[in-house]
Amino acid sequence: SAVISQKPSRDICQRGTSLTIQCQVDSQVTMMFWYRQQPGQSLTLIATANQGSEATYESGFVIDKFPISRPNLTFSTLTVSNMSPEDSSIYLCSVEDQGGRVPRPDTQYFGPGTRLTVL
Amino acid sequence: QKEVEQNSGPLSVPEGAIASLNCTYSDRVSQSFFWYRQYSGKSPELIMSIYSNGDKEDGRFTAQLNKASQYVSLLIRDSQPSDSATYLCAVKGSGANNLFFGTGTRLTVIP
Repeated sequence: SAVISQKPSRDICQRGTSLTIQCQVDSQVTMMFWYRQQPGQSLTLIATANQGSEATYESGFVIDKFPISRPNLTFSTLTVSNMSPEDSSIYLCSVEDQGGRVPRPDTQYFGPGTRLTVL
Repeated sequence: QKEVEQNSGPLSVPEGAIASLNCTYSDRVSQSFFWYRQYSGKSPELIMSIYSNGDKEDGRFTAQLNKASQYVSLLIRDSQPSDSATYLCAVKGSGANNLFFGTGTRLTVIP
């Protein structure tokens, strides 16, 4: 099944800076998603990363704050811009595929996550 | 607003007992239901998926779905200390791609 990796695994950043998180899959997948998990909370979907077009953002999340790229079917980036301490979270990418490249279609599989701390 | 609700726990059970985790959801057209396990500091790992009313068994895990009651549960038989984790219920609507997660139930299995 698909192997999902994320870089960096963790980072400590200063207020006002930006961080780009990379998600790499070892096979082409149909769908890629970005989630946020704030301390002690569950997962909240930030956006669906669309290959070759603008990401689809969920309510409460905007492109200026969380720009996303997906240049091909194996790679996506999420940038957390102009960071504040409230952005301290775990950021997770997930993949879903209908073409047999993951164990079950209609099911999301998660990368290892990026733990971000903003001072 | 799609809502998925779980008892946050903590739920403590002795080793060897059955752990019962419950989840309710608000969107009647939801079609797909998932249980993920998340160890502290790790990402969610798929345990079970269920799509039809009734029970689905996989090893020590049984998922139960009742669409009329908008209720899904996970039973863990012969609980082991290694089952200690947070269990997340997730729901997907018809034709939708994104998952809606509950807040998770923290399970502790006491040796």
